[in-house]
Amino acid sequence: NAGVMQNPRHLVRRRGQEARLRCSPMKGHSHVYWYRQLPEEGLKFMVYLQKENIIDESGMPKERFSAEFPKEGPSILRIQQVVRGDSAAYFCASSPRDNYEQYFGPGTRLTVT
Amino acid sequence: GNSVTQMEGPVTLSEEAFLTINCTYTATGYPSLFWYVQYPGEGLQLLLKATKADDKGSNKGFEATYRKETTSFHLEKGSVQVSDSAVYFCALSAGSARQLTFGSGTQLTVLP
Repeated sequence: NAGVMQNPRHLVRRRGQEARLRCSPMKGHSHVYWYRQLPEEGLKFMVYLQKENIIDESGMPKERFSAEFPKEGPSILRIQQVVRGDSAAYFCASSPRDNYEQYFGPGTRLTVT
Repeated sequence: GNSVTQMEGPVTLSEEAFLTINCTYTATGYPSLFWYVQYPGEGLQLLLKATKADDKGSNKGFEATYRKETTSFHLEKGSVQVSDSAVYFCALSAGSARQLTFGSGTQLTVLP
């Protein structure tokens, strides 16, 4: 059973461009979480999604950030008009059901130049 | 709100030394507590967990006991190895919130 997959692993964007980060949960998992890890810091929750629903986006910046988890395909975290402060590692986690252990992917390291 | 305070790093030990990484928390209700480990360039792996007071989580020689009276979940290992070098994160989930709240992480380096 493959683990949580994230791609790309590394992404470089210039200021003002868009970044799209993909997360494929473990097989049978329908719950996805996104976290951001700034340099020298712990992970901070961004958003929690189930298939076709955003359950909790309380950690998501109000502007430029959006997330989706369609019925088919991976979950996408989208950052529009990136700025240098968006440079971070973005981790996705999945779980098979609500309030259950989360399994993390390897992360996408976004660098904004 | 929920928060996790973790021992400042970095921590450097010699192989076979005893390890303690302190973790205390603030949470509403009765949280579940976790230790995650992150090796260089990788994602987080669950190391151990405890879901109620006085539970002891253990894995790969690491242990942590859920202490409600001191709101703590300190990580210990009796004899560390070079391969234990990594960043360790304490985390909790509590109440109706499904997300994990993490501490800032502790970098452990074990020297041969």
